[in-house]
Amino acid sequence: GAVVSQHPSRVICKSGTSVKIECRSLDFQATTMFWYRQFPKQSLMLMATSNEGSKATYEQGVEKDKFLINHASLTLSTLTVTSAHPEDSSFYICSASSGQGVSSNQPQHFGDGTRLSIL
Amino acid sequence: KNQVEQSPQSLIILEGKNCTLQCNYTVSPFSNLRWYKQDTGRGPVSLTIMTFSENTKSNGRYTATLDADTKQSSLHITASQLSDSASYICVVSARYGGSQGNLIFGKGTKLSVKP
Repeated sequence: GAVVSQHPSRVICKSGTSVKIECRSLDFQATTMFWYRQFPKQSLMLMATSNEGSKATYEQGVEKDKFLINHASLTLSTLTVTSAHPEDSSFYICSASSGQGVSSNQPQHFGDGTRLSIL
Repeated sequence: KNQVEQSPQSLIILEGKNCTLQCNYTVSPFSNLRWYKQDTGRGPVSLTIMTFSENTKSNGRYTATLDADTKQSSLHITASQLSDSASYICVVSARYGGSQGNLIFGKGTKLSVKP
């Protein structure tokens, strides 16, 4: 089956540092990748959608300068949380799809998430 | 306003029993509806995807139904196992033309299967 690898699984760092999270599709080409964040006992919140080679589309309320997304190839997308602060602490999850856009009927395959803790 | 509501919020059942989770939505224009299973601390795993014309879809012991007229979906789990303990999330996709769209997530139903 389709496998999405997300790395690292856990990050603990000081306030003000930048953190990069990688999302890789291991056995398929991901036309579209998605980034979510999830707070405890809450459902996933879509942050942005990215297509290979083009700029990410951010959801309302998500700061694009704060959460930098790069989708340089069909198998890799990265999310960089710049100048992270304690309020950025959350569970970040990526997903990848061979379809185009969020409305595609192709399944989204999720990574196992990155738990980010900012001290 | 596009919304997805799931019920119950949480559910406890005994191993071997069946259960049904509900999802009601007010999303338009409708594109598809998905059910995911999310274990604690893990990413969601897709169970089913249904489009407007599909009424039912099965994946092993999981069977999802969709009534596009009443905008309701259900996920039925047969002969539950301890490993079914997880949050089950209903996600509805709205289509706004082209490749743009909108994903509306339910808050999930937390299922606990007890021995």
